[in-house]
Amino acid sequence: SQQGEEDPQALSIQEGENATMNCSYKTSINNLQWYRQNSGRGLVHLILIRSNEREKHSGRLRVTLDTSKKSSSLLITASRAADTASYFCATDGTSYGKLTFGQGTILTVHP
Amino acid sequence: NAGVTQTPKFQVLKTGQSMTLQCAQDMNHNSMYWYRQDPGMGLRLIYYSASEGTTDKGEVPNGYNVSRLNKREFSLRLESAAPSQTSVYFCASSESRVDIQYFGAGTRLSVL
Repeated sequence: SQQGEEDPQALSIQEGENATMNCSYKTSINNLQWYRQNSGRGLVHLILIRSNEREKHSGRLRVTLDTSKKSSSLLITASRAADTASYFCATDGTSYGKLTFGQGTILTVHP
Repeated sequence: NAGVTQTPKFQVLKTGQSMTLQCAQDMNHNSMYWYRQDPGMGLRLIYYSASEGTTDKGEVPNGYNVSRLNKREFSLRLESAAPSQTSVYFCASSESRVDIQYFGAGTRLSVL
C-alpha cells in the first residue's frame, strides 16, 4: 500500500479561502515532499520538509510535520483559481530509500 | 533548460505490440525514475536507476524493462503491450534518490 495517504481526496473552496490538505504515512522518514500536478501535466515540486523540522513556509504555502503522529499538512492561504490542481505528498520512508507518492488531493478553487 | 524530456507524448498500441518510451534529462542528475499514473491514483514506481549503470525494480515492474543508456537517458520498454498497461507514464530525475524530483510532461499510452 502507499506510504503516504492524503486527506481529503477532494476539496472545493472559493477564491480567497484557505485550503488545508493532510498526509499520513506509516514508517519513519528522512523527509517529506509536496508536489502539485495541473491537469494533464507532470508533477512540480512545491516544498520539502526534513524530519527534524516542524514547519516550513514558501510564499502562500505552509507545511507542518508531526513525526510523532506520522502526519503532515499543506496549507494554501488566500487561494486563487490558478491553485486548482492535484496535490501529492511523497515520503522516503521505504526500504528502497526512494520517494513513495500518495494518491493525492484534488483541489478546486472557484472564482 | 529543457529539464526532463519524454517522447512520444501520445501513443496507441495494439495488444502484443512493443514500444520504447524515451526519457532524457539535461540537469546532470544521478537518479532517474519511471512511474505510471492511473485515474484517481497516485504515482506508482515501475523502475528506477539510482546512478548510471544501475537499475532496480519498483512497485510495479512486471511487463516492463528499462535501460540506463548513459547518465542523461533512461528508457522504458514494453515488450508485449497489454490493455492493463494503458496509463500515463512519467519520467523523473533527481540529484539523489531522496532529493527533489523533476518530472517530464508524460506519455499517454493506450493499449487496445
